[in-house]
Amino acid sequence: NAGVTQTPKFQVLKTGQSMTLQCAQDMNHNSMYWYRQDPGMGLRLIYYSASEGTTDKGEVPNGYNVSRLNKREFSLRLESAAPSQTSVYFCASRGGLAGGDTQYFGPGTRLTVL
Amino acid sequence: AQSVTQLDSQVPVFEEAPVELRCNYSSSVSVYLFWYVQYPNQGLQLLLKYLSGSTLVKSINGFEAEFNKSQTSFHLRKPSVHISDTAEYFCAVSQTLNFGNEKLTFGTGTRLTIIP
Repeated sequence: NAGVTQTPKFQVLKTGQSMTLQCAQDMNHNSMYWYRQDPGMGLRLIYYSASEGTTDKGEVPNGYNVSRLNKREFSLRLESAAPSQTSVYFCASRGGLAGGDTQYFGPGTRLTVL
Repeated sequence: AQSVTQLDSQVPVFEEAPVELRCNYSSSVSVYLFWYVQYPNQGLQLLLKYLSGSTLVKSINGFEAEFNKSQTSFHLRKPSVHISDTAEYFCAVSQTLNFGNEKLTFGTGTRLTIIP
């Protein structure tokens, strides 16, 4: 049981390049999330998906798109990377519909945009 | 809108000394509260959470947090810290979205450094 996995672990992009961050979970969870972590700002929600086939915007969605490919996978795409998107990106999943269910986090992707 | 305030960005503590990491939240509705820990170069792991019932919740590695509704606080404490507790600690509050889904609002984190 690997939990939540993310690829790649590290990535360097030039301004204007595109890339997709991959996330998969093997816990049969319904909900999945993408956060970004920046120094002194904690984690901020980019997008989330309550179930397969649905996605919604979080606090900071501009410049990103997401795809909930199936129940296991939730990808985050940067169409035209900007230096302001330099950050550590975390994917998380949550299993149930009960209030207070734990979110489980992946190890993160460290992205640098030059 | 909900928010979480962690006033201390860095807390240095001598090994075996007690520590308190402060967390205050604002919310107009009942909330669920969480402490997550992030060890260097890793993702976040749940440390403990408050859902309902006893206002004092404990983790398996000696941390505890007390929910105080009147002061809207959820401070994290440990009576005696170890080198292995060096990490960043995030307080979070949940917000119900739709169809039973929730999102977390995080504080800015407190970096706990243990001094040998």
